Amino acid sequence: AQSVSQHNHHVILSEAASLELGCNYSYGGTVNLFWYVQYPGQHLQLLLKYFSGDPLVKGIKGFEAEFIKSKFSFNLRKPSVQWSDTAEYFCAVIIKGGRGSNYKLTFGKGTLLTVNP
Amino acid sequence: NAGVTQTPKFQVLKTGQSMTLQCAQDMNHEYMSWYRQDPGMGLRLIHYSVGAGITDQGEVPNGYNVSRSTTEDFPLRLLSAAPSQTSVYFCASSYRTSSGSTGELFFGEGSRLTVL
Repeated sequence: AQSVSQHNHHVILSEAASLELGCNYSYGGTVNLFWYVQYPGQHLQLLLKYFSGDPLVKGIKGFEAEFIKSKFSFNLRKPSVQWSDTAEYFCAVIIKGGRGSNYKLTFGKGTLLTVNP
Repeated sequence: NAGVTQTPKFQVLKTGQSMTLQCAQDMNHEYMSWYRQDPGMGLRLIHYSVGAGITDQGEVPNGYNVSRSTTEDFPLRLLSAAPSQTSVYFCASSYRTSSGSTGELFFGEGSRLTVL
């Protein structure tokens, strides 16, 4: 079964600090990759996605992520975080190739980011 | 733009009761799915559908039924509620990409279910 690992359960930063959240997935073939953000009490919103092409993907709100195929990783980065970035962040993967796998988006367990003013 | 609409937003059930969570989307998406979100567990796929009349099980299907009679609607039925089904439920939909996989998910606002 495909799996997604997010290494940090809770990250605490001060405003203006740089952010990198790790995400690794289990090997299985061609992938579609996503990062979602969930603000307190809200549903998940897409930050960015990777289907193919340039492995450095830029998303909304100044976030970016880099797909490194050899490391099965898709880490999320932001050069300078703001208090309003406080939220939970989820990495998600579709590993294409098996029965039904093209349609199964598997989520990591999430990383809670707290940004202190 | 309504997007994905879930009802109800909140529900309290007693053990053994049944209920249906409604989900509708107006984006003509082929793919729809139900997830449950529990603290520290991320989102886990319950059931999904790749088109009207086609459904399949996800990671945690036990205790839940689904049907997809139309493209727009994808209700989730709890047959006999148990306290372990206390959770936040999210319905999501997506389009088919040019490579035949699912694109990004568009989520409903969630339904918070408590089973006593």
